[in-house]
Amino acid sequence: GDSVTQMEGPVTLSEEAFLTINCTYTATGYPSLFWYVQYPGEGLQLLLKATKADDKGSNKGFEATYRKETTSFHLEKGSVQVSDSAVYFCALSETGTGNQFYFGTGTSLTVIP
Amino acid sequence: KAGVTQTPRYLIKTRGQQVTLSCSPISGHRSVSWYQQTPGQGLQFLFEYFSETQRNKGNFPGRFSGRQFSNSRSEMNVSTLELGDSALYLCASSAAYEQYFGPGTRLTVT
Repeated sequence: GDSVTQMEGPVTLSEEAFLTINCTYTATGYPSLFWYVQYPGEGLQLLLKATKADDKGSNKGFEATYRKETTSFHLEKGSVQVSDSAVYFCALSETGTGNQFYFGTGTSLTVIP
Repeated sequence: KAGVTQTPRYLIKTRGQQVTLSCSPISGHRSVSWYQQTPGQGLQFLFEYFSETQRNKGNFPGRFSGRQFSNSRSEMNVSTLELGDSALYLCASSAAYEQYFGPGTRLTVT
C-alpha cells in the first residue's frame, strides 16, 4: 500500500542555517506530493505541493522537488528563521482513491536565535 | 473564502460518554476527511465523506462514526469514550487533490 517515510526528529538548528527534511514515499500509481506545516495549537497548513515528476513546489523560501527515480520529496530551506519552528508533515495523495491522504509521522523543527 | 471551521475547539468528557464533533468545510468543497492526531501515533486517517457518502475508511473501531449533510457539513461521533481517545481531531476539506485543515478539536477523556 501507499506510505510516506519521513526523517525522524526533532531537529534543532540555529537561525540562518540550511534545512533539509527527508521524505520518501511508496505508491502504486502517480501520486501528488505535499508538505504541510503545523504550528503549536493549530491545524495543518499546506506549505507546498507537486503533482508530477520533476515538479518543484515552493513557498515562503521552502522548496521540494518531486523525484520519481528516487521516490523522494525532500524539503529544503536555505536560511531558517525562528518563526519556522513547527512540525512538518510530508504527505501523498493518489488519484483514483478519493481524497485519502497518507501522512508521514512529522518532523519537529526548532530554530534557535 | 472562509476556512474550515471546527466546533467545539475544546472538549472534556468522561469515560463511557459519547461525543459529537462538527466540521464546516470551505464553501464549494464536497469532500471532508477526519483525522486523529496523538503524540504517540501521529496523524491517523479516520474516514472521508463525499456527497454524503463515506468514500474511504481508516482502521478504527466501530465506536468512531461520521456523517455528512447535504450542505457538506460533517459530524463525527465517538461512542463509549476511552482514555485513549484523547487526541486532537482534525477535519480537512478538499477540492481536487488538495486538503485544507481546520484548527482541530482537542478532546480530553478523563
